[in-house]
Amino acid sequence: GDSVTQMEGPVTLSEEAFLTINCTYTATGYPSLFWYVQYPGEGLQLLLKATKADDKGSNKGFEATYRKETTSFHLEKGSVQVSDSAVYFCALMNYGGSQGNLIFGKGTKLSVKP
Amino acid sequence: EAGVTQFPSHSVIEKGQTVTLRCDPISGHDNLYWYRRVMGKEIKFLLHFVKESKQDESGMPNNRFLAERTGGTYSTLKVQPAELEDSGVYFCASSPFGVGYTFGSGTRLTVV
Repeated sequence: GDSVTQMEGPVTLSEEAFLTINCTYTATGYPSLFWYVQYPGEGLQLLLKATKADDKGSNKGFEATYRKETTSFHLEKGSVQVSDSAVYFCALMNYGGSQGNLIFGKGTKLSVKP
Repeated sequence: EAGVTQFPSHSVIEKGQTVTLRCDPISGHDNLYWYRRVMGKEIKFLLHFVKESKQDESGMPNNRFLAERTGGTYSTLKVQPAELEDSGVYFCASSPFGVGYTFGSGTRLTVV
């Protein structure tokens, strides 16, 4: 079945460091891909998404490009801030295979130190 | 607009007891979803309501879990009797058209 694999955490970075969180997926057809973020004490928030190959999602300085050839959707940010400390989840939605439900990775906890 | 509200935010119960989680979706959202994250694992789909009807309950782990959505408004998820492996964070989400989810803050359930 469909699945998402993302790099294990936790990830600890200094402020202004470059961030990459790897995400790869397995799915039939053409899923939509998402990154969700959960800040401490809050719910899951959509960070960015991409609905077709080569699309780039971006928000709050974060970017991810839908790479069908490598089945990847890696999250990047050029300069992280302390306020980016959160848990990040990669997810896919495949309307054909999973009936429109989100399939998540295990999450990657990011801690940014000043 | 008000977001998706879940309560309680935390619940600690003993094995064998019953717990009921509640989710109030955004007003007017016909689609309501329950997901669960067991510690260290993926967030997994449990079930999907469209209004008061269960559209998909393929993710419900077993018959100790019962979900209802009265009148197509709020939803409850009852676990009876609770087991240790039921511990985790239960998320609710709603959407108007089946895309564009808004998630609640989750209920952290600990079974001891």
